[in-house]
Amino acid sequence: AQTVTQSQPEMSVQEAETVTLSCTYDTSESNYYLFWYKQPPSRQMILVIRQEAYKQQNATENRFSVNFQKAAKSFSLKISDSQLGDTAMYFCAFMKQSGTYKYIFGTGTRLKVLA
Amino acid sequence: EAGVAQSPRYKIIEKRQSVAFWCNPISGHATLYWYQQILGQGPKLLIQFQNNGVVDDSQLPKDRFSAERLKGVDSTLKIQPAKLEDSAVYLCASSLDWRYTGELFFGEGSRLTVL
Repeated sequence: AQTVTQSQPEMSVQEAETVTLSCTYDTSESNYYLFWYKQPPSRQMILVIRQEAYKQQNATENRFSVNFQKAAKSFSLKISDSQLGDTAMYFCAFMKQSGTYKYIFGTGTRLKVLA
Repeated sequence: EAGVAQSPRYKIIEKRQSVAFWCNPISGHATLYWYQQILGQGPKLLIQFQNNGVVDDSQLPKDRFSAERLKGVDSTLKIQPAKLEDSAVYLCASSLDWRYTGELFFGEGSRLTVL
């Protein structure tokens, strides 16, 4: 069975600084996708960034980028130039490209951006 | 484009009572998901529909939880009788297809408190 581990329950960062959120996963699958979702307080969860496992190049979306280390089964999220609006819960998620294509979510990291 | 709609946003009930949650997915999305998010944990899939058929309900406690999507559009999740441990946020999400490897679109969630 697949598992997703986020070892940092809470983090804080100063506005305009850079922060990295960690995620590790365990799987025997070779074809899968990894995601970071953001859940702002009392608002719906939205996709931040997505990575295909077969791609060696790390995904980037504006201020958000990932460090995908397939052999180490590590998938960290880097937020550059942090903004107050980045304050949220961040969930790492795994989806295997077979079976029911079910998402497995980590327990989340609560990020607070300080003014 | 309208997002995923859920109601009610908040519900407080006594244990052993029943409750129902409603979800209307994004128009044209064939797949609908119900997740349970207990405080401090990541979302856990309860049931996944493709149109009006069930793709995965392996983690649905079928002795007390039921869900339906009769016309392949909106869906209802019911809990009867509720237990204290059912206190959680119930998230509905939708996607284009059950094998779609892109974004899940989430509603704002229904927060259930069981006293």
